[in-house]
Amino acid sequence: GGIITQTPKFLIGQEGQKLTLKCQQNFNHDTMYWYRQDSGKGLRLIYYSITENDLQKGDLSEGYDASREKKSSFSLTVTSAQKNEMAVFLCASSIEREDTLYFGAGTRLSVL
Amino acid sequence: AQSVTQPDARVTVSEGASLQLRCKYSYSGTPYLFWYVQYPRQGLQLLLKYYSGDPVVQGVNGFEAEFIKSNSSFHLRKASVHWSDSAVYFCAVSAHSNNRIFFGDGTQLVVKP
Repeated sequence: GGIITQTPKFLIGQEGQKLTLKCQQNFNHDTMYWYRQDSGKGLRLIYYSITENDLQKGDLSEGYDASREKKSSFSLTVTSAQKNEMAVFLCASSIEREDTLYFGAGTRLSVL
Repeated sequence: AQSVTQPDARVTVSEGASLQLRCKYSYSGTPYLFWYVQYPRQGLQLLLKYYSGDPVVQGVNGFEAEFIKSNSSFHLRKASVHWSDSAVYFCAVSAHSNNRIFFGDGTQLVVKP
């Protein structure tokens, strides 16, 4: 079986700071996703990528950049962290865009 | 566009009792439907999915769900819950036309001993 590894597990930033979250998968899946999960809420799609060097905006892309330089990795950048922001960022991958998603354990972001 | 409604934010049941978690979706065509479970400090894991065919689908750990097109529902059921089933459960829908997956807000299940 494969695994999705997200680093770091916890990220504490300062207001206005640029922060980068990383995701690696060894499933050899084509499609990768970044979701944001706020407490008590569902998942909102930030960016997804259907292949290396492809980027597609989701519903929540403003304030974020993404990069897919290799098939196995997908990084997300918070371009300017917002004060008191707290959320969990989940990375996922799938074989096809509407197939089963496999998730990482998440990166928990806190902004002071 | 698709959307998913999980009307119950939190459900509490006693161990050994039966369970139903509700999910209604909005989509004009025939959707792909999913239930995922999230244990504390973990990502989501697939419980079961419906693509076509038999509207009752079986999943892991004794969970099942029934697709009722006339009611736009995909409720999750389990005959007898265990304390280890305590988690957050998400219903999700995807469409063939735009290849996007939409999640509900989740239902937190608390199983009392």
